[in-house]
Amino acid sequence: ILNVEQSPQSLHVQEGDSTNFTCSFPSSNFYALHWYRWETAKSPEALFVMTLNGDEKKKGRISATLNTKEGYSYLYIKGSQPEDSATYLCAFRKAAGNKLTFGGGTRVLVKP
Amino acid sequence: DGGITQSPKYLFRKEGQNVTLSCEQNLNHDAMYWYRQDPGQGLRLIYYSQIVNDFQKGDIAEGYSVSREKKESFPLTVTSAQKNPTAFYLCASKGGDSGANVLTFGAGSRLTVL
Repeated sequence: ILNVEQSPQSLHVQEGDSTNFTCSFPSSNFYALHWYRWETAKSPEALFVMTLNGDEKKKGRISATLNTKEGYSYLYIKGSQPEDSATYLCAFRKAAGNKLTFGGGTRVLVKP
Repeated sequence: DGGITQSPKYLFRKEGQNVTLSCEQNLNHDAMYWYRQDPGQGLRLIYYSQIVNDFQKGDIAEGYSVSREKKESFPLTVTSAQKNPTAFYLCASKGGDSGANVLTFGAGSRLTVL
């Protein structure tokens, strides 16, 4: 079983503050790293797919970076809003096959 | 609209009974997946299928079975051999083999064993 870890497990953020959290994954046989946002009572939705070392992706106030050599990705939320409250999941895909292994998620609660 | 439909949304089962969860997609995606979520945990892969008539075990396949007779459908059977079947089950699909392709998820099925 591949080891994909996310930290912290949960965090509380004051509205307007920025925050970031980590996904760590095996540094060998890397193929792609996905980020998903999962809001309560909804289905998980894709935020980013990252495939190259040094990739940086941005969607509105959310951005992500990727370091495949050391096996980690950061997700940043700038100026958090209550609608950013969700569980953020990363998923690792290694070079062989179509298998996607998820981390445990970081649950973000933005307090007004 | 294209998407993934899971049914039923809620299911109650007595111990010792098998139950089948349905997953249908009209996205023309080749790959389909079943994940399980337990409280406070992430998604764990049960089975996945990259093409019709082919499927592979994920990390927690024991006590589950699947079939992939049609591209659109990937049903999951939770058998009586599954020790802790109470969980939330998510089905997903992915088109193509490109690294840029993402998963599209269904709304999930919550199974409770009484």
